[in-house]
Amino acid sequence: AQRVTQPEKLLSVFKGAPVELKCNYSYSGSPELFWYVQYSRQRLQLLLRHISRESIKGFTADLNKGETSFHLKKPFAQEEDSAMYYCALSPGTYKYIFGTGTRLKVLA
Amino acid sequence: ETGVTQSPTHLIKTRGQQVTLRCSSQSGHNTVSWYQQALGQGPQFIFQYYREEENGRGNFPPRFSGLQFPNYSSELNVNALELDDSALYLCASSSGQGTQETQYFGPGTRLLVL
Repeated sequence: AQRVTQPEKLLSVFKGAPVELKCNYSYSGSPELFWYVQYSRQRLQLLLRHISRESIKGFTADLNKGETSFHLKKPFAQEEDSAMYYCALSPGTYKYIFGTGTRLKVLA
Repeated sequence: ETGVTQSPTHLIKTRGQQVTLRCSSQSGHNTVSWYQQALGQGPQFIFQYYREEENGRGNFPPRFSGLQFPNYSSELNVNALELDDSALYLCASSSGQGTQETQYFGPGTRLLVL
C-alpha cells in the first residue's frame, strides 16, 4: 500500500536551533517526494520536491530509499518557519498521497 | 495572474442532500485536482481533470463526481451526503497533468454535514 507517515503531530524548537521534520513512506517503486507548507491563514503551497534537489528558505530534504525516508531539515530555525508541513508522495502520475502533517512551532 | 478561487467558502448541508462546489483554476492552467481534508488529516486525492476529461481517481465512491468546463474551471458534486463527508475540500490547478507541474491550491470550501 502507498502510504506517507509523519510521526510527529507537533514539533517545537527554539529559534536558531536545528529542525528535522520526519517523513517515511511506503511504496514499492520509485516515488516522487514533496514537501508542502501551509503558513497561518495562507494556502497550501509547494515547498520543495526531491527531484529538483534544491534548497528553499534554507530547507533541504534528501530522499533515502534504503530507509524510505524524506526528512525535511533546516540548520537554524526562524520564527517565520512556524507552519504546518505536509510530506507527499506521488507514484509518478497524477496522484498525490499526503501525510497527516506536522505543526512546527519556532519559539523565540 | 489570478490565483485559484473556490466557492462557496462555507456550506452547511444535511445528510442525504447533494452539494456542488466550484473551483476556478489559475490563469493558463488546464488541470484541476480535488482533495478532501478531514480534520487533523492531510489532503486526500479525490480525482483530477485534464482538458475536460477525468484523468484519474482516488478511493472515493461514485457519488463523488466532477466536471471540468472549457475555461478549465471545475465542479465537484457529492450526492447522498453522509456525516463523514464533513471536511475541507481543496482544489488545485496546474499547467499539466504530470507531477513535474506545480500544483497551486485554492483556499478551500468547508462543508459541514448535519
